[in-house]
Amino acid sequence: GQNIDQPTEMTATEGAIVQINCTYQTSGFNGLFWYQQHAGEAPTFLSYNVLDGLEEKGRFSSFLSRSKGYSYLLLKELQMKDSASYLCAVRAYLTTYSGNTPLVFGKGTRLSVIA
Amino acid sequence: DTEVTQTPKHLVMGMTNKKSLKCEQHMGHRAMYWYKQKAKKPPELMFVYSYEKLSINESVPSRFSPECPNSSLLNLHLHALQPEDSALYLCASSQVRENEQYFGPGTRLTVT
Repeated sequence: GQNIDQPTEMTATEGAIVQINCTYQTSGFNGLFWYQQHAGEAPTFLSYNVLDGLEEKGRFSSFLSRSKGYSYLLLKELQMKDSASYLCAVRAYLTTYSGNTPLVFGKGTRLSVIA
Repeated sequence: DTEVTQTPKHLVMGMTNKKSLKCEQHMGHRAMYWYKQKAKKPPELMFVYSYEKLSINESVPSRFSPECPNSSLLNLHLHALQPEDSALYLCASSQVRENEQYFGPGTRLTVT
């Protein structure tokens, strides 16, 4: 089975740093993704980790520990426009004849950035 | 062109209607996906097509019928839907063994 856990809601102040955690137990692992989704809009890709360690991309960083089944997304210098849902998704192994391994999404963390 | 387009943006249909959702991409991606997303919930995978062949059907009821007429187009045919099928339907595409999925803006479906 697939299980991906992340906090439901978080609130942080403009200009601050926030860390959104994600833990997973999946049948196999082939990469972890973070997506941002504003209300009523499609998810947009933020980051991808397949090896342990930190990936930095501007104000956003993502960390992965495969042995712990754990990842976090770090957002620095928060801006009001960062208020959105952040989805953790794992590329798990599913039985397909094509070799395609689609994403399994967590429930998402709704981040509110306040002044 | 790094865009996935979906039409229509909004759709209201009765339980006896037949309608279709359309998705198009011109990025040369050979994997295309349909997801269903209810309010304040994550996207749930419905179908995956790889090289225009259905590779995954996540136990979706037969009132949803996908079709991939060519490598750029993905349709979702709807028939005899229930009010609980009201949701945002997202299409996505990717290279078959690549990491990043590109999502379309979605079709917001309301079944009355």
